Amino acid sequence: EVKLLESGGGLVQPGGSMRLSCAASGFTFTDFYMNWIRQPAGKAPEWLGFIRNKANGYTTEYNPSVKGRFTISRDNTQNMLYLQMNTLRAEDTATYYCARWPLGAHYFDYWGQGVMVTVSS
Amino acid sequence: DIKMTQSPSSLSASLGERVTISCRASENINNILAWYQKKEDGSVKLLIYYTSNLQSGVPSRFSGSGSGKDYSLTISGLESEDIATYYCQQGYTPPLTFGSGTKLEIK
Repeated sequence: EVKLLESGGGLVQPGGSMRLSCAASGFTFTDFYMNWIRQPAGKAPEWLGFIRNKANGYTTEYNPSVKGRFTISRDNTQNMLYLQMNTLRAEDTATYYCARWPLGAHYFDYWGQGVMVTVSS
Repeated sequence: DIKMTQSPSSLSASLGERVTISCRASENINNILAWYQKKEDGSVKLLIYYTSNLQSGVPSRFSGSGSGKDYSLTISGLESEDIATYYCQQGYTPPLTFGSGTKLEIK
């Protein structure tokens, strides 16, 4: 069974940093692109970016809205996905999800349960 | 970015009723469209991909259709477990973008 479990959220001050983690299980982690998506309360989800699979060199792509502030990485020995968020702003307050991208697809077939990040002083 | 506009934003329907949710893209997305269901507990489930393909395990009362800019999700025979918010998502042009959601309630 595919499982994705995010952790690391909470309250952070504006200008601060936070790293989210996503533990993956139930599938061959290195075969898949992995994504981060966020959703502010009452708003549309926003795709943040992905990290490619082993066959594609684990390279990354980002939404221009967060490029330069957010970094996606993975530890393939631990089946872990990470989102490093820097220079956080109030508008980064949201629930953050990790999600799997099926091979050759342009949609997300499994999502984690989400983790809340609040940016406030 | 491609803007995805969903309608209606909320919908109240009776059990057993046929329900249709619409999604319009700001440009042609060539059927690269998915639908998701988000429950109150925050869990998100893929329902439909590439406009009309039913994800494994999703009940057959869910169906999708459309082309070009206009797409729809239909639930044929609403059940109580379908109470959720539904989102469309285009995967044709990065950045991938989502609609603002349709909240479905029981009348």
